[in-house]
Amino acid sequence: SQQGEEDPQALSIQEGENATMNCSYKTSINNLQWYRQNSGRGLVHLILIRSNEREKHSGRLRVTLDTSKKSSSLLITASRAADTASYFCATGGMNRDDKIIFGKGTRLHILP
Amino acid sequence: DSGVTQTPKHLITATGQRVTLRCSPRSGDLSVYWYQQSLDQGLQFLIQYYNGEERAKGNILERFSAQQFPDLHSELNLSSLELGDSALYFCASSVVGSYGYTFGSGTRLTVV
Repeated sequence: SQQGEEDPQALSIQEGENATMNCSYKTSINNLQWYRQNSGRGLVHLILIRSNEREKHSGRLRVTLDTSKKSSSLLITASRAADTASYFCATGGMNRDDKIIFGKGTRLHILP
Repeated sequence: DSGVTQTPKHLITATGQRVTLRCSPRSGDLSVYWYQQSLDQGLQFLIQYYNGEERAKGNILERFSAQQFPDLHSELNLSSLELGDSALYFCASSVVGSYGYTFGSGTRLTVV
């Protein structure tokens, strides 16, 4: 069963613009992670935010977490063509018995 | 190269057959996770092994089985294959308490 649910399912923006993707989840979490997947390839870990953190930055990525609303957002600033990919949020994974559960992803398309 | 090796990259087989997918985790990682990705179901967690022991089970069919060997590589066995088993199968590995999971590039299984 899906834990996280990304919104929107698909997003097209012009190169240079900012892209915002949202993720909602259902149960309490230890952490939330964002991954990128280029078409047909493996997933690449982008960033992890712990449940006691509210915001985290990594390069052009900014992630926020609101545990009271059970939601997170991923902001990609100054988008580039290479950012075209699917983006997934995933929850869990810090304990030995945890597995990470993925949402269905947001397909991001950067227009030239 | 993520450090997680999956073989084969592509596999085409007939219905009713049995196949074995192999995963070598990143050096030092004790946990191995298997995921199935199809267009309609998204990324589904199948099973997790930690240091040779099964730790968590997800939506894994009874026709599927897996194991993790003493050298920590893992195999996913799929039997009595059906057309609906066609999907990308990913393996990921992690160290307990690490920042995120490392994914292999996947095995694309096509059942004809």
